[in-house]
Amino acid sequence: EIVLTQSPGTLSLSPGERGTLSCRASQSVRSSYLAWYQKKPGQAPRLLIYGASSRATGIPDRFSGSGSGTDFTLTISRLEPEDSAVYYCQQYGSSPNTFGQGTRLEIK
Amino acid sequence: EVQLLESGGGLVQPGGSLRLSCEASRFTFSNYAMNWVRQAPGKGLEWVSGIGGSRATTYYADSVKGRFTISRDNSKNTLYLQMNSLRAEDTATYYCAKDYQWEQPFYFTSWGQGTLVTVSS
Repeated sequence: EIVLTQSPGTLSLSPGERGTLSCRASQSVRSSYLAWYQKKPGQAPRLLIYGASSRATGIPDRFSGSGSGTDFTLTISRLEPEDSAVYYCQQYGSSPNTFGQGTRLEIK
Repeated sequence: EVQLLESGGGLVQPGGSLRLSCEASRFTFSNYAMNWVRQAPGKGLEWVSGIGGSRATTYYADSVKGRFTISRDNSKNTLYLQMNSLRAEDTATYYCAKDYQWEQPFYFTSWGQGTLVTVSS
């Protein structure tokens, strides 16, 4: 199975700054089948990005995804306090689909 | 807006069984694959099981294969997860998740609020 490693483990930034989250796969992700989710305590996960770079419905354009092969990035520009959450990447190109361990984003 | 409502969680002893349900509404249930994803306390997300829209094909993580059974009743717009031989490491919040497409686990466009399963003596 494909192992996804996310870095950093925790990211602490100020409002208005840009956040860059990384997701590295143990082998190439077929067809860039990679998604990003936002998870806040007590809430359901929320799909942000699919196909490595396509924004899900209703997601602000502050959120963008990029990458291919084994290296993927989620960028959040102009951070807002409500962006504080844990972010997970998921690959769905190979069975079983797998998640990364998450990056905690703290807004100071 | 898609609605997914999980139920059936609770406290169960190791070796016991539990059946989770997920009632879906506001979309054509039979047209989409459905999944269960769990999150253990303080841990990350883990995909558990998926089922195609026609019920023909089921998928399982190795960690639950042979112990859990996923099923769906398209006439009732309901997804199920029968969990047998439960272990302490199955303790988690279990989320029902609607898939992007019809046939197999892909990415998850909508999620329920989750139901907590605690396996403890």
